[in-house]
Amino acid sequence: AQTVTQSQPEMSVQEAETVTLSCTYDTSENNYYLFWYKQPPSRQMILVIRQEAYKQQNATENRFSVNFQKAAKSFSLKISDSQLGDTAMYFCAFMKWDDKIIFGKGTRLHILP
Amino acid sequence: DAGVTQSPTHLIKTRGQHVTLRCSPISGHKSVSWYQQVLGQGPQFIFQYYEKEERGRGNFPDRFSARQFPNYSSELNVNALLLGDSALYLCASSLETGKYEQYFGPGTRLTVT
Repeated sequence: AQTVTQSQPEMSVQEAETVTLSCTYDTSENNYYLFWYKQPPSRQMILVIRQEAYKQQNATENRFSVNFQKAAKSFSLKISDSQLGDTAMYFCAFMKWDDKIIFGKGTRLHILP
Repeated sequence: DAGVTQSPTHLIKTRGQHVTLRCSPISGHKSVSWYQQVLGQGPQFIFQYYEKEERGRGNFPDRFSARQFPNYSSELNVNALLLGDSALYLCASSLETGKYEQYFGPGTRLTVT
C-alpha cells in the first residue's frame, strides 16, 4: 500500500522568504503522479503543482517548484518570495493510474507579515 | 465556467440518521471521486465513479454508498450515522480516468450529534 508522510505539522516564515515543505512517500509502483495541494481556510482544495514520476525534470509553477528525488522517494515543495496569501494547509499527495489520491496529513504554513 | 459544486454546504444530523450529499462535476467531466476529510487530517478516498460505474472504493464500511447519474452528477449516501462520520466531504471531478487532473469542490461539512 502506498503511504505519504509529511514530517512538518506546522511552519512559519516571514513574508518574501523562501520556504521548503518536506514530503516522503512509499510505493512499489514505477509510474505514478505526485501533487502538492493547498487548502486555505475557505476549504477549497487547490492544486499547486504536479509531477509525473517518469519525468526527471522538476516541475515549476511560477513561485512554486519541487525537488523530486525518485530513488529516495522524496518530493519537497519550495515556495519562493512567499506571500500572505500562501498561508494555508499544504498536502502532499500520490496517485497511480487508478485516480485514488492518497494524501499526507498536511503541513500548516503561516506566512508572517 | 462553473467549477465543481456541492450541496449542501453544511449539514447537522443526529446519530442513526441517513444523509445524502450531492456533487455536480465540471461540465464535460465524466469521473467523480469522493473523499472524507476529518478535522486535522488529509482527505481519505471513499469512492470513484466513471461513466456511472463504480471504479474504486476506499476502506469505508457498507454504510457508505454512492451513485453517478447520466448527467455525471453524483450522490454520496451514508446510513446509520455515527459521531465519527463528522467530517468535510469533498467531491472531485476529472475529464477522464487515469492521468487527468482532479478538481475539487468546496465540500460539505457534516456534523453528527
